[in-house]
Formats: sequence, structure tokens, C-alpha cells
Amino acid sequence: DTAVSQTPKYLVTQMGNDKSIKCEQNLGHDTMYWYKQDSKKFLKIMFSYNNKELIINETVPNRFSPKSPDKAHLNLHINSLELGDSAVYFCASSQVENEQFFGPGTRLTVL
Amino acid sequence: GDSVTQMEGPVTLSEEAFLTINCTYTATGYPSLFWYVQYPGEGLQLLLKATKADDKGSNKGFEATYRKETTSFHLEKGSVQVSDSAVYFCALNVKTSGSRLTFGEGTQLTVNP
Repeated sequence: DTAVSQTPKYLVTQMGNDKSIKCEQNLGHDTMYWYKQDSKKFLKIMFSYNNKELIINETVPNRFSPKSPDKAHLNLHINSLELGDSAVYFCASSQVENEQFFGPGTRLTVL
Repeated sequence: GDSVTQMEGPVTLSEEAFLTINCTYTATGYPSLFWYVQYPGEGLQLLLKATKADDKGSNKGFEATYRKETTSFHLEKGSVQVSDSAVYFCALNVKTSGSRLTFGEGTQLTVNP
């Protein structure tokens, strides 16, 4: 299947822990993104990479660090998790300026 | 900065009713406009798009027309089905903003049989 995939789908962890979410796309796109969806369903961009180069870095705490080992992968590492980090995180990909394709989301719950 | 405003939800309709979800935008450049749909427990799927003024996007019976004069991109469907129940997001993308999508707040639609 050609798609954007994310792992894990659900992530439950304690405050203070460090966790990672992985994203892979096999659509051959050059650009990948991370979005955060809060409890009210509001979606906001966090990061964007184009060909492994960071091009968008919104006002996100520096506890969040994206890593792109190649243009098909964009992982999100979060240090020292806080209650407010609980959300659904979506990965997406696109050819620059075209429509974005979204992954199924990772629901992160911080206890 | 860029922004998108959607009509407040939730919206509840009976099957076969007419649907309109309003969307207006402000943008510093010349945006492309999108409607995405999120079914329960799933990611976002592109429903339709329009890239220039007066373009009409359409898919699965949904339509939206890019109106530059009113900075609007309202979503319409003539006869909704129970399976259309989902959250609908209006979004824009401006080339000079690094291709980020700016989303509206989302509108929850529930269609009852």
C-alpha cells in the first residue's frame, strides 16, 4: 500500500519520560510535516522538512526534536514529556506546494 | 498572518438534508484552498481543493467554489448521508509560507437517519 504510516498508533506514558513517534511515506514526496491536534480538534503545524532539510519550525518547545534520516522518514522525539503534550500527532507528506497526505495519527497520553 | 475561520459547530442534520459549512480566509499571498475530512478515529483525508479564483472543487457530491472577492470557500452538499458524519476542516496553503497548511477550527457534522 502506498501511504503515510505512523507508529505507534497509541502511546501512553508518564510525565518526564522521553518518547519517539516514527513516520514513513512511500509516496516519493519531497516534503514531510508534523502537526499537533489538540483536544478541541484544532490542528497546528509543528515542523516541516524538505529533502531532509528543516524548513518550518514553529514556536514549539525545544523538548520536541524532529529527525529526518532520509526523505521518506520524519521522526519526532519528545523529551521530558508534560501533561500538556497529550494530543494526537499527525505526520503528512507532499510534493512541495501540492496537497498533503496524512498519516493515521498517534494519540499520545501523558499521565 | 494567514488564518481560516469556519462556522461554529456542531452541525446536526437529517439524512438527505442540504449541507453548507461556511469558510472564510485571510492570506498574505495567493492561497490554494482545501477541504479535509476526518472520520472518527482516523487521519485527515483530502476531500476537495481549488487553486485559483472561481475554481470549483468537487468530490463525493461535495462542492466548494474559490471566491476571491468574498475570500470564501464554503462547502456544500445537496443530500447528506449518515456516512458523511465526520469533522470537516477548511485549510489554506500559501506558497510563501513554506507549504504549511493553515487550518480552520473544524466543524463536527452528525447526520441522523
